[in-house]
Formats: sequence, structure tokens, C-alpha cells
Amino acid sequence: GAGVSQSPSNKVTEKGKDVELRCDPISGHTALYWYRQSLGQGLEFLIYFQGNSAPDKSGLPSDRFSAERTGGSVSTLTIQRTQQEDSAVYLCASSLRTAGEVDTQYFGPGTRLTVL
Amino acid sequence: AQSVAQPEDQVNVAEGNPLTVKCTYSVSGNPYLFWYVQYPNRGLQFLLKYITGDNLVKGSYGFEAEFNKSQTSFHLKKPSALVSDSALYFCAVRDIGAGGSYIPTFGRGTSLIVHP
Repeated sequence: GAGVSQSPSNKVTEKGKDVELRCDPISGHTALYWYRQSLGQGLEFLIYFQGNSAPDKSGLPSDRFSAERTGGSVSTLTIQRTQQEDSAVYLCASSLRTAGEVDTQYFGPGTRLTVL
Repeated sequence: AQSVAQPEDQVNVAEGNPLTVKCTYSVSGNPYLFWYVQYPNRGLQFLLKYITGDNLVKGSYGFEAEFNKSQTSFHLKKPSALVSDSALYFCAVRDIGAGGSYIPTFGRGTSLIVHP
């Protein structure tokens, strides 16, 4: 079956522009996570959606970052007024929160964002 | 609170030799522990997890990991390394105790290089 997909795969933008990154999770997965991966920095948690609950936004680094998840499926991460330090790979993951699949995350290929 | 440490940025091993990638963790309650692998320009792929039960967990591609509660470790092992195992490996932990989070914490990653 289809895995997690993300688009675009690469995005180059100018400092100060807004960008939108898209994530299509695996169908039926109720949990969705966004992470940021910078060179040598591991994975930095950004935001977590679970079903219809309010998202956990505790990892968003500033108010320039926001995300939404429409209809419990597709999610969009928006970065406003991009800065050069926003350059990174943005990874999306989804999981099925059942006893058999507890917490196993399925990751998309990522979006590489470069801010010039 | 939960945290995870991967003390080695890089591990080098000759093809055919056993490999170990180290991971230690800290949680207030009991842990769920995970290993993921990331090949170049790809998202993370699930390798194995420890939830409960047998301390020795077997996963994909011949990898295994041993949960050691007294040493708070979850080292990844493989009896005979392949050049194709060369990749970035991430350990992750989630504290399932009272006050724990639904969001796992990832280590900084260990680059495994298998030499022919």
C-alpha cells in the first residue's frame, strides 16, 4: 500500500517568503507528526496531531511556524517569513495508535527546504 | 521527562564483522524503545521496537536489540555487517509512565559505515 508522501521533495525560497509543505499520511492513521532534521542535529519535534484532539504544538520554534490537518488526513506545515536558519529537511510521520502498532511511526521521504 | 543518548557519532566496521550501535535512555516510568534507519535522501524506516516481554528484540534486515533495564540501554546489534547496512541509525524512546508524552524523543543519530 501507499506510504507517507510529502510534497514538494525540494523547495528553494528566498528569505522572507512564506512556504507550505504538505504531508499525506497513510490512510487510516490517526496520529501525525512533523519533525525537522538539520545536519548533525537529529530529529527535532515540531507538532503532533491525534484524531480530533487539539494538536500538541509544543515543538514549534516560533510563531512563524503553523500547521493544520484537514479532515483528519492531509497536513500542511506553513512557515511564514522564512529565515536562513529554517533550512532543513522537514519530515512527516504517521502512526496507527492501536495495541499492535503502538507508536510505530512511518516516515515520509521529507521536504528539503533551502532558504537563500 | 525522557531522553535518549547515542554516544557515538560514527561507527566503522568491516563487512562480515559484528556491529553494535549504542543507545542509552532515561525515563521516569517504563520505556517504549525504537530503532529507525535512514538511508541517504530517504525518510526514516522502522527497524524494531521494545514494548514489553522478551528483552531481546529481533527486527528487519537481521538486526536485533537487547533491552537492559539495569543499564538503561537498548543497543542495536547485527552478527555480520553488510556494506548495504551503511546508513544513519536513530534510537528513540517514549516514557509510558504517569506524565509521559505521546511524542517519542529521538537521539542525534549514529552513522554506520561498513567497509568492504
